[in-house]
Amino acid sequence: DGGITQSPKYLFRKEGQNVTLSCEQNLNHDAMYWYRQDPGQGLRLIYYSQIVNDFQKGDIAEGYSVSREKKESFPLTVTSAQKNPTAFYLCASGNGYTFGSGTRLTVV
Amino acid sequence: GDSVTQMEGPVTLSEEAFLTINCTYTATGYPSLFWYVQYPGEGLQLLLKATKADDKGSNKGFEATYRKETTSFHLEKGSVQVSDSAVYFCALSATNFGNEKLTFGTGTRLTIIP
Repeated sequence: DGGITQSPKYLFRKEGQNVTLSCEQNLNHDAMYWYRQDPGQGLRLIYYSQIVNDFQKGDIAEGYSVSREKKESFPLTVTSAQKNPTAFYLCASGNGYTFGSGTRLTVV
Repeated sequence: GDSVTQMEGPVTLSEEAFLTINCTYTATGYPSLFWYVQYPGEGLQLLLKATKADDKGSNKGFEATYRKETTSFHLEKGSVQVSDSAVYFCALSATNFGNEKLTFGTGTRLTIIP
């Protein structure tokens, strides 16, 4: 079945650590997106990529980095520069119609 | 810039009640409009969409009509069920051409009681 796979489902990060969230799609979509969701808020765009080897900052890119070396994959790294990384992270592809099931990141 | 404003929650209704969740938008050009649903601990699922003025999107008994004159896309359902309990997000994308990022409202939590 086609879809988007995000892993891990839960992730714990220590202060000062970088962590990478995985997003893989087999839908042959060109565009991929990363959103952050905080309680009681809508989704905010972190980064997006409309084609391999190209990506753009979204509204809240500070403290995050991405790469797009393959069409199927768009990993997100949460760096130590992100001061409040605890949130639910959602990956999407295509024209935004298809979302993964999310990764819940917690700082411990 | 583009923005979406939706009804503050939480909304609590009895089973079989009529549901309306209001959504208005601000955008340049001719955006596409969407409703997404999120069940606890899960990602978002597309519920319905409309790509031009006066279009009506519908799915699973939910409906919403793209009203350009009032810049609105209100979600309605005639008779809600307990299984409809979820968070609902209104969103827009800037153009109809695909591969465009979405702008979301803050979400409305809906709880249906038996």
